[in-house]
Amino acid sequence: EVQLVESGGGSVQPGTSLRLSCAASGFAFEDHAMEWVRQAPGKGLEWVAGISWDSDTVAYADSVKGRFTVSRDNAKRSLYLRMNSLRDDDTAFYYCARSGGTFLDDAFDIWGQGTVVTVSS
Amino acid sequence: DIQMTQFPSTLSAFVGDRVTITCRASQSVSNWLAWYQQKPGRAPKLLMSMTSSLESGVPSRFSGSGSGTEFTLTISSLQPDDFATYYCQQYHSFSTFGQGTKLEIK
Repeated sequence: EVQLVESGGGSVQPGTSLRLSCAASGFAFEDHAMEWVRQAPGKGLEWVAGISWDSDTVAYADSVKGRFTVSRDNAKRSLYLRMNSLRDDDTAFYYCARSGGTFLDDAFDIWGQGTVVTVSS
Repeated sequence: DIQMTQFPSTLSAFVGDRVTITCRASQSVSNWLAWYQQKPGRAPKLLMSMTSSLESGVPSRFSGSGSGTEFTLTISSLQPDDFATYYCQQYHSFSTFGQGTKLEIK
């Protein structure tokens, strides 16, 4: 079964850091770009970051640029999101998603169930 | 950055109605446009990509059209399972989602 499972979410204070993980199974992880998308409570979807199959190309939304870092380990079939200097408005459900292609130029055809990040003092 | 404007934000309709949701890009995205369906408490589900290419298993009552900056998602005859929130997404230049359209039962 094709599956993405996120972990690492939690409740943290502003200014701190958190690392999210996404474990992939059931498909050739190394053949796909991967993405992070978030959804604040009651709000719409916001693309956060993406990484190509070979990690050569990474991209970020302006709202997280300089604070978040996306990475992957193809040997471990895992995607990561390092989040630094967290702010209240980073509070959201974070989804890991598979891109249909190897680069950041395709729709997101598989999604995980998400992990919650709450930033509050 | 490419901005995506989706309307209406809310749409009320009856089972059996034909409905259309519009998505407008701030600059041309060619045909690099996808539509997603999301139900409460669930992850989004890809309905179609490349403007009109349905994903496997998506009913044929769903269709997409457009190119450049203007796109539409049409559901030809609403079924109870279709009441959800729909998002457009451009992936011509990284990715941007529209604000969403909540489709409610009238």
